[in-house]
Amino acid sequence: SYVLTQPPSVSVAPGQTARITCGGDNIGSKSVHWYQQRPGQAPVLVVYDDSDRPSGIPERFFGSNSGNTATLTISRVEAGDEADYYCQLWDNSGDHFVFGSGTKVTVL
Amino acid sequence: QITLKESGPTLVKPTQTLTLTCTFSGFSLSTSGVGVGWIRQPPGEALEWLALIYWDDDKHYNPSLKSRLTITKDTSKNHVVLNMTNMDPVDTATYYCAHLEAQTPPDYWGQGTLVTVSS
Repeated sequence: SYVLTQPPSVSVAPGQTARITCGGDNIGSKSVHWYQQRPGQAPVLVVYDDSDRPSGIPERFFGSNSGNTATLTISRVEAGDEADYYCQLWDNSGDHFVFGSGTKVTVL
Repeated sequence: QITLKESGPTLVKPTQTLTLTCTFSGFSLSTSGVGVGWIRQPPGEALEWLALIYWDDDKHYNPSLKSRLTITKDTSKNHVVLNMTNMDPVDTATYYCAHLEAQTPPDYWGQGTLVTVSS
């Protein structure tokens, strides 16, 4: 089964930029999606198809994908961005969705 | 407005079968391209994909759990049911259902329901 690897945690000061990586074999050839999950809440889709944003998601959330790494970049980080972030994609070989291990973003 | 809500037992015993129901509104599972999926999350752990059913009854399962899972739909009642057999304490988790459409990720999620497996 396809494996997605994320760093366990990322710390960032308010107003700075947070970068969350998602590693996978030739992930650049696949469409990657990103979710934000605040404590006690259901996940919220913040980026889909590598770099598109659902309506209502701020432009501060930016996705990119190339080679073996997809990245979610959050610019001008705010206290409300503190959450767990998960990457996700469709594994064609297994014919099912796969989630990354999750990254906890802490706003200092 | 799309909404989904999970329901089922909060406590099951080891070896029992778990039956969860996802009741939704704001869309129809008879519409081409529409699907409903199930995802779970053990306390303090990552999300794990379980199963997915599409409008045409096409079904997809997590390969590591496929032998224990069955997903079905009742279009007339706007329900999707997930059965998971031979429950174990490691299956203790919050179970979510979510709406999606073909070629797109889940976009609307239910609030989740916590299921504890314990004797």
